[in-house]
Amino acid sequence: DAKTTQPTSMDCAEGRAANLPCNHSTISGNEYVYWYRQIHSQGPQYIIHGLKNNETNEMASLIITEDRKSSTLILPHATLRDTAVYYCIVRALWGSASKIIFGSGTRLSIRP
Amino acid sequence: GAVVSQHPSRVICKSGTSVKIECRSLDFQATTMFWYRQFPKQSLMLMATSNEGSKATYEQGVEKDKFLINHASLTLSTLTVTSAHPEDSSFYICSARDPGVGGWNTEAFFGQGTRLTVV
Repeated sequence: DAKTTQPTSMDCAEGRAANLPCNHSTISGNEYVYWYRQIHSQGPQYIIHGLKNNETNEMASLIITEDRKSSTLILPHATLRDTAVYYCIVRALWGSASKIIFGSGTRLSIRP
Repeated sequence: GAVVSQHPSRVICKSGTSVKIECRSLDFQATTMFWYRQFPKQSLMLMATSNEGSKATYEQGVEKDKFLINHASLTLSTLTVTSAHPEDSSFYICSARDPGVGGWNTEAFFGQGTRLTVV
């Protein structure tokens, strides 16, 4: 079973920041927070991951709370091409717990 | 990022026949590959994990005799759906783990998926 909970859907205006929350209250000390997205009829695309520090790359920023029980993915300037299902996943890096188990995700719609 | 290629992207087959789907890591050697299935409007469901040179590990409820997985080389894994039936129609996606230099990188990259329709 997925170890994260996310809102079913969200929408955001084009050009604004999209903030996608994720709860992972049972995360273990050796588990990382990963974000992937899936555009319709395509394979998932890696976005970003982190352990406890906030992370930023060319696609997004990841903010992890100090207790690590929740996180937020931030798309700073959303475009129509960011419309997708976003999956928040917790996983270890090694062993059986490193499998990527997908939950229901958040369907993000970007409106013009 | 690393590239994972699936072939074919779409396939239609008759009920009772078998279909093979290939998953290739194009610019890295993948010691571990994963196979997922996704029904319309649902999330991805992990079917099995395959390690190069050994038998695949199937998730609970997945029939290993129906979904044959072969991971004979570090760049190729295949999923064969045997005696396919209409209920096997789905979107099948593979993922490959790139161990990176020294084997410490555990990023997983996904193929573009294969849409199987059984008629």
